[in-house]
Amino acid sequence: AQSVTQPDIHITVSEGASLELRCNYSYGATPYLFWYVQSPGQGLQLLLKYFSGDTLVQGIKGFEAEFKRSQSSFNLRKPSVHWSDAAEYFCAVGRDFGNEKLTFGTGTRLTIIP
Amino acid sequence: DAGVIQSPRHEVTEMGQEVTLRCKPISGHNSLFWYRQTMMRGLELLIYFNNNVPIDDSGMPEDRFSAKMPNASFSTLKIQPSEPRDSAVYFCASSIPGTSSTDTQYFGPGTRLTVL
Repeated sequence: AQSVTQPDIHITVSEGASLELRCNYSYGATPYLFWYVQSPGQGLQLLLKYFSGDTLVQGIKGFEAEFKRSQSSFNLRKPSVHWSDAAEYFCAVGRDFGNEKLTFGTGTRLTIIP
Repeated sequence: DAGVIQSPRHEVTEMGQEVTLRCKPISGHNSLFWYRQTMMRGLELLIYFNNNVPIDDSGMPEDRFSAKMPNASFSTLKIQPSEPRDSAVYFCASSIPGTSSTDTQYFGPGTRLTVL
């Protein structure tokens, strides 16, 4: 069965600083990997996704993520955060034996300080 | 384009009452998902449909929960009778399955349910 671990429950970063959110997955084949962002009181919005090909994926809002098969990781990065990036971030893995189910991690809450 | 539409956005009800949550997926999307989000359990998939047919309902917590998709543009999630532990935010999402250019689930704004 597929699973996702986001080891950091809460991260605080200064505005303008770089950011890396960690995500580790467990999956038997090549996974489909996603990062979603949830602002307070809102639904989830897709930031980026990896299906195959280039292991460095560019997303919206200046985010990128790198798929590392050897480490079973798909970490999310941003070189310089903005106050508007404060939100909850979810990593997800999909495509379990042709099933469309997504398994989400528990999320990482990002706080931005001035 | 209109995104996934959910109604109501907020629902407050008393224990024992029936609750019906509604979802309109994005036009042309033929997969629909119902999720529940709580602080304790995070985001859980309850059920998903493909071409209006329930494919996997293993996440439905118990018989009090039921979901239907009578046509491609409408789905309901019903809780009868409701209990305080059902209080959560319920999300609906839709997608077009099949290729790497799709498979992205688009989420609605959610329905915040409070059962007193």
